[in-house]
Amino acid sequence: RKEVEQDPGPFNVPEGATVAFNCTYSNSASQSFFWYRQDCRKEPKLLMSVYSSGNEDGRFTAQLNRASQYISLLIRDSKLSDSATYLCLTSGGSYIPTFGRGTSLIVHP
Amino acid sequence: DADVTQTPRNRITKTGKRIMLECSQTKGHDRMYWYRQDPGLGLRLIYYSFDVKDINKGEISDGYSVSRQAQAKFSLSLESAIPNQTALYFCATSDPHSVNEQFFGPGTRLTVL
Repeated sequence: RKEVEQDPGPFNVPEGATVAFNCTYSNSASQSFFWYRQDCRKEPKLLMSVYSSGNEDGRFTAQLNRASQYISLLIRDSKLSDSATYLCLTSGGSYIPTFGRGTSLIVHP
Repeated sequence: DADVTQTPRNRITKTGKRIMLECSQTKGHDRMYWYRQDPGLGLRLIYYSFDVKDINKGEISDGYSVSRQAQAKFSLSLESAIPNQTALYFCATSDPHSVNEQFFGPGTRLTVL
């Protein structure tokens, strides 16, 4: 079983929709959590860090559930430009990074 | 100027050839990483280095070697390239004093014929 799991999708949603992704992790020692966005054939870029208390950045909300060992990303009012692959990243106690395989989002008109 | 640069950006080579991918960073980070990305498999860690004298194997190190020439430079070598090493390769850096966020280079697209 992979350490970090994501539903690959694709999630196909209309503009304006709200969509949520989850990412489960198996290493209970994981300490740092991030969501990255990757456009086709480009490098991943940080979307947001995930804090224990949850955090919001505009239309994006990230949550951490340590008890169930997952993080989530909520996107409100989806835009066409949100179409991309969303990767979750965790780093455990030894700070070795582990990425999920990514969730593909397609926002259509 | 980009903080993390990779050369070459694209490379086509033949089976059995030795190839080196280079990564340089101006972020002053001690930690550097090499990943490969294949469709459907996400980013997989090949090697990582927490400082100049520290080199560690990642999830998929077989067939690869690395050299950390300086804090700013981390190169990845394929001693004898094979077709299943065709992939997109990313270098990344992180600062352990700043929540360990990963900063990526633009990637190298490698094709082994």
